[in-house]
Amino acid sequence: KQEVTQIPAALSVPEGENLVLNCSFTDSAIYNLQWFRQDPGKGLTSLLLIQSSQREQTSGRLNASLDKSSGRSTLYIAASQPGDSATYLCAVIDNTDKLIFGTGTRLQVFP
Amino acid sequence: DVKVTQSSRYLVKRTGEKVFLECVQDMDHENMFWYRQDPGLGLRLIYFSYDVKMKEKGDIPEGYSVSREKKERFSLILESASTNQTSMYLCASSQRKGPTGGYTFGSGTRLTVV
Repeated sequence: KQEVTQIPAALSVPEGENLVLNCSFTDSAIYNLQWFRQDPGKGLTSLLLIQSSQREQTSGRLNASLDKSSGRSTLYIAASQPGDSATYLCAVIDNTDKLIFGTGTRLQVFP
Repeated sequence: DVKVTQSSRYLVKRTGEKVFLECVQDMDHENMFWYRQDPGLGLRLIYFSYDVKMKEKGDIPEGYSVSREKKERFSLILESASTNQTSMYLCASSQRKGPTGGYTFGSGTRLTVV
């Protein structure tokens, strides 16, 4: 059974720092991997989608990498801002099109 | 802008009521999903559908049913609401496997059963 783990569970940093959020999964037979952001009481906003044939995707200050063979993905946030404060969720999409979510990283960026 | 729209942001219902949560997507996606999210338990899959008139049980289907009469609409039904169904409910849609496959989520419905 696929298990997805995110480290760290929580992170509190000053504004301007570059951040690395980690995601690991136990079964490398994934179809895609998607990173989401969730603000308190809100739905999930898609940040980046990495297809299984890709190794990374970039959007603005965000960069996500994927290493299927080692079962790892990393979300890199450059020059963090207070507006980046949220919970970040990693999820793998299996070959039945279902999402398996990680445990989440709660990020706080203070001024 | 493509969207998944959930009909209500907040809902308060009484124990025993039949509750309908509606979800509509405008992306012509084949797949639709209902999740519930609870503190400490993360997101759990209730039901999903790969096509019109199709439905499949997820991890926690007990106490729920679904309806998908049209491709763009997926309804979650609480047959007889109970207090343990108080939760945040999230709807999502996706294409079938393909180069642009990925999930789009709605903004959620916070349901309180009293």
